[in-house]
Amino acid sequence: DVKVTQSSRYLVKRTGEKVFLECVQDMDHENMFWYRQDPGLGLRLIYFSYDVKMKEKGDIPEGYSVSREKKERFSLILESASTNQTSMYLCASSPPGFSGANVLTFGAGSRLTVL
Amino acid sequence: DAKTTQPPSMDCAEGRAANLPCNHSTISGNEYVYWYRQIHSQGPQYIIHGLKNNETNEMASLIITEDRKSSTLILPHATLRDTAVYYCIVRPPGSSNTGKLIFGQGTTLQVKP
Repeated sequence: DVKVTQSSRYLVKRTGEKVFLECVQDMDHENMFWYRQDPGLGLRLIYFSYDVKMKEKGDIPEGYSVSREKKERFSLILESASTNQTSMYLCASSPPGFSGANVLTFGAGSRLTVL
Repeated sequence: DAKTTQPPSMDCAEGRAANLPCNHSTISGNEYVYWYRQIHSQGPQYIIHGLKNNETNEMASLIITEDRKSSTLILPHATLRDTAVYYCIVRPPGSSNTGKLIFGQGTTLQVKP
């Protein structure tokens, strides 16, 4: 019954490494999102995409990039990981448009530690 | 953006109803109220949403005041598995075609035996 799958639940990387976080959804949703969650700061939107090859910056895009080559897959890329990117990363998807039915479905999260 | 205010924490006895309040006094007429919850170390889970009328589904009920400035999420028979952080979210304006939601700090609900 899993609908949004994040490839890794736990990752440990070193400063300066390139990190890929993968997210796949099987609900044929147009919209996909990457959030990060930190204690005391709640969920903050990094990037989102409302179509293949489309992307929009969220509230904290610095240090991140994204890729959406296929509708079901949305990747978050840390070009050069830093310790302040240690966080829980959450991927979500939703149907298109703006309506009351536009509900987010989240993945289980990827906890990244950068040493 | 319409902001929400929730108590940081609440306790509830197992089997009793849990009533979680949310204030959203600056809500606009076309903004929906959404509730999500997050169990420890998992992604947020959608619970329910509404615009003006009260809503009920298999998980919970949502009561929205007539002036829409506040709402209450009701879990009718709380179980230990309902222990989680509950987020009340108001859809920000100008977010057409994005589904962008702004999550606050939420209410930590502790269901006790």
